[in-house]
Amino acid sequence: TQLLEQSPQFLSIQEGENLTVYCNSSSVFSSLQWYRQEPGEGPVLLVTVVTGGEVKKLKRLTFQFGDARKDSSLHITAAQPGDTGLYFCAGVSGYALNFGKGTSLLVTP
Amino acid sequence: DTGVSQNPRHKITKRGQNVTFRCDPISEHNRLYWYRQTLGQGPEFLTYFQNEAQLEKSRLLSDRFSAERPKGSFSTLEIQRTEQGDSAMYLCASIAGDYGYTFGSGTRLTVV
Repeated sequence: TQLLEQSPQFLSIQEGENLTVYCNSSSVFSSLQWYRQEPGEGPVLLVTVVTGGEVKKLKRLTFQFGDARKDSSLHITAAQPGDTGLYFCAGVSGYALNFGKGTSLLVTP
Repeated sequence: DTGVSQNPRHKITKRGQNVTFRCDPISEHNRLYWYRQTLGQGPEFLTYFQNEAQLEKSRLLSDRFSAERPKGSFSTLEIQRTEQGDSAMYLCASIAGDYGYTFGSGTRLTVV
């Protein structure tokens, strides 16, 4: 199993602030995905990044894949209470996804 | 198509009992995965099917666990002689192609 280190583990911020979640590994992944999970539900795919250095934007969320395809980041601009949730990065290697431990984000009004 | 469906959503069982979960994937998806998630952790890979063939099993999948996908459509995951350590959320996901895993809502198992 290839380890994905995700940080921070917990993040509590106020509405309007910016934040960045990091996902690091010593392994190279063919692609990397970011998921969001609500309590009692399965993870929902937000984005897949494939090419080293790739940047993808999803409204206020910006995802970046490291040049060496070993790390990734999720940046949220002007966070809103609706962004509250559990965020995971997951590396694709071979047949399965390897998930990080997740970042629990709380955005308060 | 309403996505990946898992049943039951919740299961409480006594230690030592057998349980079976069902997953109905998106119909055109040929690959189906089972993952297990415990509190404070990300999902961990258990096993994977391509059509009806079970191609990979994690070391997490002890001999008390068995999974089937008899006609390449729905899948079942059975746990025999459940233990308290089996308490977790069991997630099913399906995919066609290389990207875009779709997860079900999971079955939360509590072993008492």
